[in-house]
Amino acid sequence: QQQVKQSPQSLIVQKGGISIINCAYENTAFDYFPWYQQFPGKGPALLIAIRPDVSEKKEGRFTISFNKSAKQFSLHIMDSQPGDSATYFCAASIRYNFNKFYFGSGTKLNVKP
Amino acid sequence: DAGITQSPRHKVTETGTPVTLRCHQTENHRYMYWYRQDPGHGLRLIHYSYGVKDTDKGEVSDGYSVSRSKTEDFLLTLESATSSQTSVYFCAISESSTGSSSAQYFGPGTRLLVL
Repeated sequence: QQQVKQSPQSLIVQKGGISIINCAYENTAFDYFPWYQQFPGKGPALLIAIRPDVSEKKEGRFTISFNKSAKQFSLHIMDSQPGDSATYFCAASIRYNFNKFYFGSGTKLNVKP
Repeated sequence: DAGITQSPRHKVTETGTPVTLRCHQTENHRYMYWYRQDPGHGLRLIHYSYGVKDTDKGEVSDGYSVSRSKTEDFLLTLESATSSQTSVYFCAISESSTGSSSAQYFGPGTRLLVL
C-alpha cells in the first residue's frame, strides 16, 4: 500500500514555463511534507518543505501548495529552467515515528531550452 | 551530501557473496536510514536506526541486516547477495526532535551490481 502517490511520472516543460507535480496522501497523521530534487548520480537533496498548518510556502521559484481537506500537495516551479531538469520526489512523515519518510515514486522533469 | 559519506561508491559482486556498505556521518544526528532506489519505485526504506545499537526494519528488509555500534557509523550488510539486490543504496540522517518531523539528509549513494 503506497502511502504517498505522485504524478505525473514524467513531465516535459518549455523553458520559462510552469512545472507542476502533484502528490496525494491518505494518512492524516502526516505532519511534514518535503520535496526532494535529485540529479543523475547524486543523492536526493531537500528542496522545500511544508507543515499542514499553512497552505502555501514559497522559496524563490519553488512553491508548495497544500490542500489539507483534499489531502493533496503540489510543487510548482515557476520560470522553469533547463538546470531544473531532475527527478523530484515528494514525501511525508508522521510525528513520533522516528522521522521515517514515505516517498512518492518520483517525477522526471525535462525542461527544454 | 555534506557530513555524510558512503563507501564504497561503486561495487560489483557475485551472487551468494556477503556485501557490507558503510555510511559515516559527522553531524552527530541520532537517526540514520538505509534506502534502496530502483526505477519506478522511488526510495524504499530498508532499515533504520534511532540510536546506537537501536535498529528496526523498514518496508524492504528481507535479505538485509544492519548494525550501528557508534553514532557516526551505520552498516548495511547483504548476507548473501542476489541479482534482485542490484540497486543504488542511499544512506540518510536526521536529527531527533521532541515532536514534529524534520528533514532527512542524504549521502551520495552506492551503486551495487550483483552478477
